Amino acid sequence: QKEVEQNSGPLSVPEGAIASLNCTYSDRGSQSFFWYRQYSGKSPELIMFIYSNGDKEDGRFTAQLNKASQYVSLLIRDSQPSDSATYLCAVQPGGYQKVTFGTGTKLQVIP
Amino acid sequence: GAVVSQHPSWVICKSGTSVKIECRSLDFQATTMFWYRQFPKQSLMLMATSNEGSKATYEQGVEKDKFLINHASLTLSTLTVTSAHPEDSSFYICSASSSSNEKLFFGSGTQLSVL
Repeated sequence: QKEVEQNSGPLSVPEGAIASLNCTYSDRGSQSFFWYRQYSGKSPELIMFIYSNGDKEDGRFTAQLNKASQYVSLLIRDSQPSDSATYLCAVQPGGYQKVTFGTGTKLQVIP
Repeated sequence: GAVVSQHPSWVICKSGTSVKIECRSLDFQATTMFWYRQFPKQSLMLMATSNEGSKATYEQGVEKDKFLINHASLTLSTLTVTSAHPEDSSFYICSASSSSNEKLFFGSGTQLSVL
């Protein structure tokens, strides 16, 4: 079982719709969860991080964490074509810094 | 957010030569830096964890004698790919954090092409 799993996609949504990206992880002791956006040929860019169960909102982005289900998601409201990228879920165990990345979900926002 | 500077952004070299990649934290002290490699259409794979003033910790399958890491100061880590071969061609990315629970900030990446 992979440590961090994501559907590779592509996930296609029309412009203005809500994009929902999902991620599951295997280490129940994980403490920190991150979402990165990566454009083709570029480095990942941090867009959200969440540590506690529940929702965390930042502009058009909402991260949702459910530790009991070992599930973290990212919602993008009012999706724009510029949101088209690969979204990487990253999980950090408690106590040390090593971060494990999922393989990413490619999002395509159709104008 | 914090800034991590990585140089060069791309390099082309001949097989058998060595290439050095620098990673600098510009506005914070990075106690730990990480080096990742990413092949096309694949995710980031951690190569090694670099702690200032101590030896790097390499992930399983990564040759420490081939990928030399030096973290001589709190703001600079270098990765040297020694005797590069075409299969080493990849996108190398560094990241840095300042504490055990801090989010990672990434450098801009280095695209290495070995001919």
